[in-house]
Amino acid sequence: AQSVTQLGSHVSVSEGALVLLRCNYSSSVPPYLFWYVQYPNQGLQLLLKYTSAATLVKGINGFEAEFKKSETSFHLTKPSAHMSDAAEYFCAVSRGGNNNDMRFGAGTRLTVKP
Amino acid sequence: GAVVSQHPSWVICKSGTSVKIECRSLDFQATTMFWYRQFPKQSLMLMATSNEGSKATYEQGVEKDKFLINHASLTLSTLTVTSAHPEDSSFYICSAREGAGARTEAFFGQGTRLTVV
Repeated sequence: AQSVTQLGSHVSVSEGALVLLRCNYSSSVPPYLFWYVQYPNQGLQLLLKYTSAATLVKGINGFEAEFKKSETSFHLTKPSAHMSDAAEYFCAVSRGGNNNDMRFGAGTRLTVKP
Repeated sequence: GAVVSQHPSWVICKSGTSVKIECRSLDFQATTMFWYRQFPKQSLMLMATSNEGSKATYEQGVEKDKFLINHASLTLSTLTVTSAHPEDSSFYICSAREGAGARTEAFFGQGTRLTVV
């Protein structure tokens, strides 16, 4: 069964610093992986997705993620944090097949200090 | 991108009453929609998969008689919390995928904050 694990429930960076949010996956088949962002009391917005094309995926708001099969990882990065990046970030894997739902990691809360 | 609209965004109800939450796909047809529940500072937990024209599929531990799901059309799914109790207070989110493939992204509603008093 597919699943994802997010390492670190809370990450704090200074404005302008590198953002690194970690996600590892477990899947018996090639996974389809997603990163979503959630602002308080709102739904989720897609940042980027990996669907077995390029291993380095670029998303919105300057975020990108690299799929590394050897490490079973799909970490999210952004070179320079902005105050507006403060939010909750979720890594997700698509189950596909008859169910086709998504399973989410526990989430990582990103805090950006001025 | 596609839009999923969820209504209401927040609701307060008395214990023992029922509350209906609507989830609409505005510019695409969704044969399948998903209902999640999110507790404070926690992840999204899948409650059920809503299938147009057939019964919903509930996750283990979710009471189907308490959380009634109806997917009457290709653009509307509803979740009714029956005989609500304070422990049902939570953030409920629906989502739909544009297409059946696992590659497709899921679009999410704005969420509904339910408070049972």
